[in-house]
Amino acid sequence: QVRLQESGPGLVKPSQTLSLTCTVSGGSISSGSYHWSWIRQPAGKGPEWIGRVYSSGSTNYNPSLKTRVTISIDTSKNQFSLKLTSMTAADTAVYYCARRAAGFGFDIWGQGTMVTVSS
Amino acid sequence: DIQMTQSPSSLSASVGDRVTITCRATQGVSNYLAWYQQKPGRVPKLLINAASTLQSGVPSRFSGSGSGTDFTLTISSLQPEDVAIYFCQEYDIAPLTFGGGTKVEI
Repeated sequence: QVRLQESGPGLVKPSQTLSLTCTVSGGSISSGSYHWSWIRQPAGKGPEWIGRVYSSGSTNYNPSLKTRVTISIDTSKNQFSLKLTSMTAADTAVYYCARRAAGFGFDIWGQGTMVTVSS
Repeated sequence: DIQMTQSPSSLSASVGDRVTITCRATQGVSNYLAWYQQKPGRVPKLLINAASTLQSGVPSRFSGSGSGTDFTLTISSLQPEDVAIYFCQEYDIAPLTFGGGTKVEI
């Protein structure tokens, strides 16, 4: 079955850039049926959708983060990535990658990676 | 952006009780509404798609209803393993948004 796995640093200094990668196994990221999202969840709060990328490379971002976010896809490696610039303490959260098909909710999630912003 | 408001924010019920959680959108989302269950320290799990379609493997005591702006998740007979936080999420219009969650306790 398809699995997603996030990787990246757990600690980022204020003003620095967060870089996370999601590796997809058990299926092809190039399937046109799906798109691939990053979602974050601060402690004790509901999830927040950051943005998504299609296998074509097309992206959509949450306007609240749009100026700081870049999501990209590498079909040769079956991976997609998140870059979030100018990190602050407010960006401290568990970051998830997730899969979604049109007309459906997020059916497969990575295990999540805790990112703390602190000097 | 569409805002999703859940109520109540928390509830306590007994095993076997019928539990109802509501989710309201600030504008109509047709039936593009999903429900998730998140147990402590775990990843959100998709329970329901399209407002009322149960994901494979989800117990039949869970059900969803609604369309437009008002939605409901019902647990017909609460079980100990249902202790979790439940989130609704619209996927009609980006940015995709989640509700704040309803914590269900026994």
